[in-house]
Amino acid sequence: GENVEQHPSTLSVQEGDSAVIKCTYSDSASNYFPWYKQELGKRPQLIIDIRSNVGEKKDQRIAVTLNKTAKHFSLHITETQPEDSAVYFCAALPGGSNYKLTFGKGTLLTVNP
Amino acid sequence: GAVVSQHPSWVICKSGTSVKIECRSLDFQATTMFWYRQFPKQSLMLMATSNEGSKATYEQGVEKDKFLINHASLTLSTLTVTSAHPEDSSFYICSAPDAVKNTEAFFGQGTRLTVV
Repeated sequence: GENVEQHPSTLSVQEGDSAVIKCTYSDSASNYFPWYKQELGKRPQLIIDIRSNVGEKKDQRIAVTLNKTAKHFSLHITETQPEDSAVYFCAALPGGSNYKLTFGKGTLLTVNP
Repeated sequence: GAVVSQHPSWVICKSGTSVKIECRSLDFQATTMFWYRQFPKQSLMLMATSNEGSKATYEQGVEKDKFLINHASLTLSTLTVTSAHPEDSSFYICSAPDAVKNTEAFFGQGTRLTVV
């Protein structure tokens, strides 16, 4: 089955700096890669996603890049703010998986004011 | 986006009792729902896939007789933790995929279960 590795497990940045979280996946048939933000005790919220036919997608301060050949995808947050502090999960959807996402282990992002 | 409502948001129960958690899709039909368990500072671990009108599919290592799943309608899936023990204390969360887009998962609010 699919295996998603996520790094780093924790990340601390100063307000205004950029943050990058990286994930790798194992199943070359995976075709959808969402990123979720989860605040303590709350449900994960989709913040951005990318499909396998696109190399990069941006939404204001958030961007995701995908390298299909290397099976890497990354989340980039620019001009970080304290409210960006949360746990971020990457995920991959294997082809033909009946919507079953495989999640990375998560990254605890702390943005220091 | 679509709304998935999960109840209760938290529950405290005594060891040996059973607890039922409900997950409803409010504005769409969900033929499939997923149940996850999340321990503190850990990722979402898939427990089982709930399929409307058929038996749930459990992940390896998850006891199907302990975690009973019922998906009797297109908008409701339930997870019952039977004979709960303190080690079952966790954050349980359901999700339903967007069958139209074939992608995004919509999560319920989660249920914090504490077994004392």
